[in-house]
Amino acid sequence: GQQVMQIPQYQHVQEGEDFTTYCNSSTTLSNIQWYKQRPGGHPVFLIQLVKSGEVKKQKRLTFQFGEAKKNSSLHITATQTTDVGTYFCAGDNAGNMLTFGGGTRLMVKP
Amino acid sequence: NAGVTQTPKFRVLKTGQSMTLLCAQDMNHEYMYWYRQDPGMGLRLIHYSVGEGTTAKGEVPDGYNVSRLKKQNFLLGLESAAPSQTSVYFCASSGSGRPAGELFFGEGSRLTVL
Repeated sequence: GQQVMQIPQYQHVQEGEDFTTYCNSSTTLSNIQWYKQRPGGHPVFLIQLVKSGEVKKQKRLTFQFGEAKKNSSLHITATQTTDVGTYFCAGDNAGNMLTFGGGTRLMVKP
Repeated sequence: NAGVTQTPKFRVLKTGQSMTLLCAQDMNHEYMYWYRQDPGMGLRLIHYSVGEGTTAKGEVPDGYNVSRLKKQNFLLGLESAAPSQTSVYFCASSGSGRPAGELFFGEGSRLTVL
């Protein structure tokens, strides 16, 4: 079945440093979604990417979808303590369900 | 602005006991999902539904049953709980399934099986 791998599993950064998490799928995706889960909370939708090579920005967050539609990345510029949480990618292979990556837990030192 | 509501939020069971988790959404969504979340393993799909009266298996369906008798409700049942089912369970709903649309999650139900 479809597998979605996410790296790194954990990342500690100093406040103000940049952060990137990578997502790789074993199959070509029709779209990919990103979610953020604060400690003790539930996943919250951030964005969906659909087109090959697509790049979308939300303030300090930049999302990319690979040309082959099998990988994606989330980059945060100048992290803040409010960015703390676990970031998940979720791939849709045109079925009825999303497959989630294992998540990257971001910790930010003030 | 209830969105997706899960009950109960916490539950402790003994091995072999049964229980039902209830998920209710007020967004008139067709698609509903049950996930479990374990440390380091992300979210794994247990069962899902593409509309009232329908259910389907996800990645890890064994030991669970579901029902969707009403569009707004999706129930997850454990007939004979096992310690391996200790987890945090999340219900989610979506307005579209093909392609997958944004998932709206409930706050989660933490289940401990002793």
